[in-house]
Amino acid sequence: EIVLTQSPTTIAASPGEKVTITCRASSSVSSMSWYQQKPGTSPKPWIRDTSRLVSGVPNRFSGSGSGTSYSLTINTMETEDAATYYCQQWTTTPLTFGSGTKLEIK
Amino acid sequence: EVQVLESGGGLVQPGNSLKLSCATSGFTFSTAWMYWYRQFPEKRLEWVARIKAKSNNYAADYTESVKGRFTISRDDSKSSIYLQINNLKEEDTAIYYCSTGFSYWGQGTLVTVSS
Repeated sequence: EIVLTQSPTTIAASPGEKVTITCRASSSVSSMSWYQQKPGTSPKPWIRDTSRLVSGVPNRFSGSGSGTSYSLTINTMETEDAATYYCQQWTTTPLTFGSGTKLEIK
Repeated sequence: EVQVLESGGGLVQPGNSLKLSCATSGFTFSTAWMYWYRQFPEKRLEWVARIKAKSNNYAADYTESVKGRFTISRDDSKSSIYLQINNLKEEDTAIYYCSTGFSYWGQGTLVTVSS
Protein backbone atom coordinates (compact mmCIF):
# COMPACT_ATOMS: atom_id res chain seq x y z
CA GLU A 1 0.00 0.00 0.00
CA ILE A 2 1.25 3.48 -0.89
CA VAL A 3 1.19 5.72 2.17
CA LEU A 4 0.71 9.43 1.58
CA THR A 5 2.13 11.79 4.20
CA GLN A 6 0.86 15.35 4.16
CA SER A 7 2.53 18.28 5.84
CA PRO A 8 1.86 20.36 7.68
CA THR A 9 -1.13 18.90 9.51
CA THR A 10 -2.44 22.36 10.26
CA ILE A 11 -1.37 25.74 8.98
CA ALA A 12 -2.63 29.27 9.60
CA ALA A 13 -2.04 31.90 6.94
CA SER A 14 -2.87 35.57 6.59
CA PRO A 15 -4.75 36.90 3.56
CA GLY A 16 -2.28 37.55 0.76
CA GLU A 17 0.24 35.05 2.10
CA LYS A 18 1.67 32.24 -0.01
CA VAL A 19 0.82 28.73 1.22
CA THR A 20 2.35 25.39 0.25
CA ILE A 21 1.06 21.97 1.27
CA THR A 22 3.17 18.92 0.53
CA CYS A 23 2.24 15.28 -0.01
CA ARG A 24 4.96 12.64 0.06
CA ALA A 25 4.34 9.11 -1.19
CA SER A 26 6.01 6.02 0.21
CA SER A 27 6.59 4.82 -3.37
CA SER A 28 6.66 6.62 -6.69
CA VAL A 29 3.28 7.54 -8.14
CA SER A 30 2.50 8.76 -11.63
CA SER A 31 0.39 11.73 -10.54
CA MET A 32 -1.52 13.21 -7.62
CA SER A 33 -5.04 14.51 -7.14
CA TRP A 34 -6.18 17.03 -4.56
CA TYR A 35 -9.52 17.72 -2.89
CA GLN A 36 -10.83 20.63 -0.85
CA GLN A 37 -13.28 19.93 1.95
CA LYS A 38 -15.19 22.38 4.12
CA PRO A 39 -17.10 21.33 7.27
CA GLY A 40 -20.33 19.47 6.65
CA THR A 41 -19.70 18.96 2.94
CA SER A 42 -18.26 16.21 0.78
CA PRO A 43 -14.75 16.51 -0.65
CA LYS A 44 -14.63 18.70 -3.70
CA PRO A 45 -12.31 17.75 -6.57
CA TRP A 46 -9.70 20.47 -6.82
CA ILE A 47 -6.60 19.45 -8.80
CA ARG A 48 -6.21 16.39 -11.05
CA ASP A 49 -3.20 14.85 -12.79
CA THR A 50 -0.83 16.73 -10.46
CA SER A 51 -1.35 20.19 -11.94
CA ARG A 52 -4.69 20.47 -13.76
CA LEU A 53 -7.11 22.73 -11.92
CA VAL A 54 -10.73 21.61 -11.92
CA SER A 55 -13.04 24.02 -13.71
CA GLY A 56 -13.93 26.87 -11.37
CA VAL A 57 -10.88 26.58 -9.13
CA PRO A 58 -9.19 29.98 -8.84
CA ASN A 59 -5.88 30.29 -10.66
CA ARG A 60 -4.12 31.37 -7.47
CA PHE A 61 -3.99 27.60 -6.86
CA SER A 62 -1.38 25.42 -8.52
CA GLY A 63 -0.14 21.87 -8.24
CA SER A 64 3.24 20.37 -9.00
CA GLY A 65 5.47 17.42 -8.31
CA SER A 66 6.63 14.04 -9.51
CA GLY A 67 7.74 10.68 -8.21
CA THR A 68 7.26 10.73 -4.45
CA SER A 69 6.91 14.46 -3.79
CA TYR A 70 3.92 16.63 -4.70
CA SER A 71 2.60 19.98 -3.58
CA LEU A 72 -0.39 22.26 -3.70
CA THR A 73 0.36 25.99 -3.59
CA ILE A 74 -1.88 28.98 -3.05
CA ASN A 75 -0.15 32.05 -4.43
CA THR A 76 -2.10 34.59 -2.36
CA MET A 77 -4.29 33.23 0.42
CA GLU A 78 -7.91 34.35 0.54
CA THR A 79 -10.40 33.79 3.37
CA GLU A 80 -12.51 31.44 1.23
CA ASP A 81 -9.51 29.09 0.92
CA ALA A 82 -9.80 28.06 4.57
CA ALA A 83 -10.56 24.34 4.37
CA THR A 84 -8.97 20.92 4.68
CA TYR A 85 -7.02 19.68 1.67
CA TYR A 86 -6.42 16.02 0.90
CA CYS A 87 -4.12 14.40 -1.65
CA GLN A 88 -4.96 11.08 -3.33
CA GLN A 89 -2.97 8.68 -5.48
CA TRP A 90 -4.49 6.65 -8.31
CA THR A 91 -1.40 4.72 -9.38
CA THR A 92 -2.13 1.48 -7.54
CA THR A 93 -4.89 -0.07 -5.48
CA PRO A 94 -5.65 0.36 -2.73
CA LEU A 95 -6.25 3.96 -3.71
CA THR A 96 -5.00 6.01 -0.79
CA PHE A 97 -5.43 9.49 0.66
CA GLY A 98 -3.23 11.73 2.72
CA SER A 99 -4.39 12.49 6.24
CA GLY A 100 -5.31 16.05 5.33
CA THR A 101 -3.98 19.55 5.91
CA LYS A 102 -6.24 21.97 7.71
CA LEU A 103 -5.71 25.51 6.40
CA GLU A 104 -6.94 28.28 8.65
CA ILE A 105 -7.07 32.03 8.33
CA LYS A 106 -4.74 33.92 10.67
CA GLU B 1 -26.22 18.22 -14.44
CA VAL B 2 -24.60 15.24 -12.74
CA GLN B 3 -26.35 13.99 -9.61
CA VAL B 4 -25.10 11.40 -7.14
CA LEU B 5 -27.38 10.50 -4.24
CA GLU B 6 -26.61 7.98 -1.53
CA SER B 7 -29.15 6.40 0.79
CA GLY B 8 -29.49 3.54 3.22
CA GLY B 9 -27.33 4.62 6.12
CA GLY B 10 -28.43 4.52 9.73
CA LEU B 11 -27.75 3.24 13.22
CA VAL B 12 -27.11 -0.50 13.33
CA GLN B 13 -25.87 -2.96 15.92
CA PRO B 14 -22.54 -4.74 15.53
CA GLY B 15 -22.88 -7.93 13.52
CA ASN B 16 -25.85 -6.70 11.54
CA SER B 17 -26.03 -5.94 7.82
CA LEU B 18 -26.86 -2.88 5.76
CA LYS B 19 -27.22 -2.12 2.08
CA LEU B 20 -26.29 1.31 0.80
CA SER B 21 -27.62 2.59 -2.50
CA CYS B 22 -26.39 5.27 -4.85
CA ALA B 23 -28.59 6.68 -7.60
CA THR B 24 -26.99 8.73 -10.34
CA SER B 25 -27.95 10.76 -13.37
CA GLY B 26 -26.48 13.19 -15.85
CA PHE B 27 -23.64 11.10 -17.27
CA THR B 28 -23.10 7.86 -19.19
CA PHE B 29 -23.35 5.52 -16.24
CA SER B 30 -22.94 2.28 -18.17
CA THR B 31 -19.32 3.02 -19.10
CA ALA B 32 -18.31 4.60 -15.80
CA TRP B 33 -16.25 2.92 -13.12
CA MET B 34 -17.93 3.68 -9.81
CA TYR B 35 -16.50 3.99 -6.32
CA TRP B 36 -17.42 3.94 -2.65
CA TYR B 37 -15.33 5.94 -0.22
CA ARG B 38 -15.78 6.51 3.48
CA GLN B 39 -14.76 9.21 5.94
CA PHE B 40 -14.25 8.26 9.55
CA PRO B 41 -15.26 10.49 12.49
CA GLU B 42 -11.65 11.68 12.81
CA LYS B 43 -11.93 12.87 9.16
CA ARG B 44 -9.62 10.28 7.63
CA LEU B 45 -10.70 9.37 4.07
CA GLU B 46 -10.56 5.79 2.81
CA TRP B 47 -11.29 4.19 -0.54
CA VAL B 48 -13.65 1.26 0.08
CA ALA B 49 -14.51 -0.39 -3.23
CA ARG B 50 -14.61 0.06 -6.97
CA ILE B 51 -16.71 -1.60 -9.66
CA LYS B 52 -15.72 -1.42 -13.30
CA ALA B 53 -17.99 -1.29 -16.34
CA LYS B 54 -19.57 -4.13 -18.31
CA SER B 55 -16.70 -3.99 -20.81
CA ASN B 56 -14.41 -4.89 -17.88
CA ASN B 57 -16.74 -7.69 -16.76
CA TYR B 58 -17.97 -5.61 -13.81
CA ALA B 59 -14.73 -6.43 -11.98
CA ALA B 60 -14.68 -5.29 -8.35
CA ASP B 61 -11.83 -4.23 -6.05
CA TYR B 62 -11.87 -3.70 -2.30
CA THR B 63 -9.66 -2.26 0.37
CA GLU B 64 -8.19 -5.05 2.48
CA SER B 65 -10.10 -4.27 5.67
CA VAL B 66 -13.52 -4.89 4.06
CA LYS B 67 -12.78 -7.91 1.87
CA GLY B 68 -15.21 -10.72 2.59
CA ARG B 69 -17.70 -8.42 4.35
CA PHE B 70 -18.51 -5.75 1.73
CA THR B 71 -19.89 -6.37 -1.75
CA ILE B 72 -20.19 -3.69 -4.39
CA SER B 73 -22.67 -4.14 -7.23
CA ARG B 74 -24.31 -2.11 -9.95
CA ASP B 75 -27.51 -1.97 -11.98
CA ASP B 76 -26.85 -0.18 -15.26
CA SER B 77 -30.59 -0.10 -16.05
CA LYS B 78 -31.09 2.07 -12.95
CA SER B 79 -27.78 3.98 -13.13
CA SER B 80 -27.18 2.85 -9.58
CA ILE B 81 -24.57 1.15 -7.46
CA TYR B 82 -24.90 -0.58 -4.14
CA LEU B 83 -22.75 -1.57 -1.18
CA GLN B 84 -23.82 -4.60 0.81
CA ILE B 85 -22.17 -4.49 4.22
CA ASN B 86 -22.28 -7.61 6.38
CA ASN B 87 -21.07 -8.29 9.91
CA LEU B 88 -20.81 -4.59 10.70
CA LYS B 89 -18.15 -3.52 13.19
CA GLU B 90 -17.90 -0.36 15.26
CA GLU B 91 -14.87 0.66 13.20
CA ASP B 92 -17.12 0.79 10.10
CA THR B 93 -18.77 3.89 11.56
CA ALA B 94 -18.27 6.56 8.91
CA ILE B 95 -19.90 8.69 6.23
CA TYR B 96 -20.06 6.62 3.06
CA TYR B 97 -19.68 8.47 -0.23
CA CYS B 98 -20.54 7.26 -3.71
CA SER B 99 -18.39 8.72 -6.47
CA THR B 100 -17.44 8.53 -10.11
CA GLY B 101 -13.92 8.39 -8.75
CA PHE B 102 -12.69 11.94 -8.80
CA SER B 103 -15.09 14.37 -10.38
CA TYR B 104 -18.44 13.72 -8.73
CA TRP B 105 -19.25 12.80 -5.16
CA GLY B 106 -22.57 12.46 -3.38
CA GLN B 107 -23.42 14.16 -0.13
CA GLY B 108 -22.76 10.94 1.79
CA THR B 109 -24.80 8.66 4.01
CA LEU B 110 -23.89 8.15 7.66
CA VAL B 111 -23.47 4.64 9.00
CA THR B 112 -23.20 4.36 12.77
CA VAL B 113 -22.42 0.97 14.27
CA SER B 114 -23.13 0.84 17.98
CA SER B 115 -24.84 -1.37 20.51
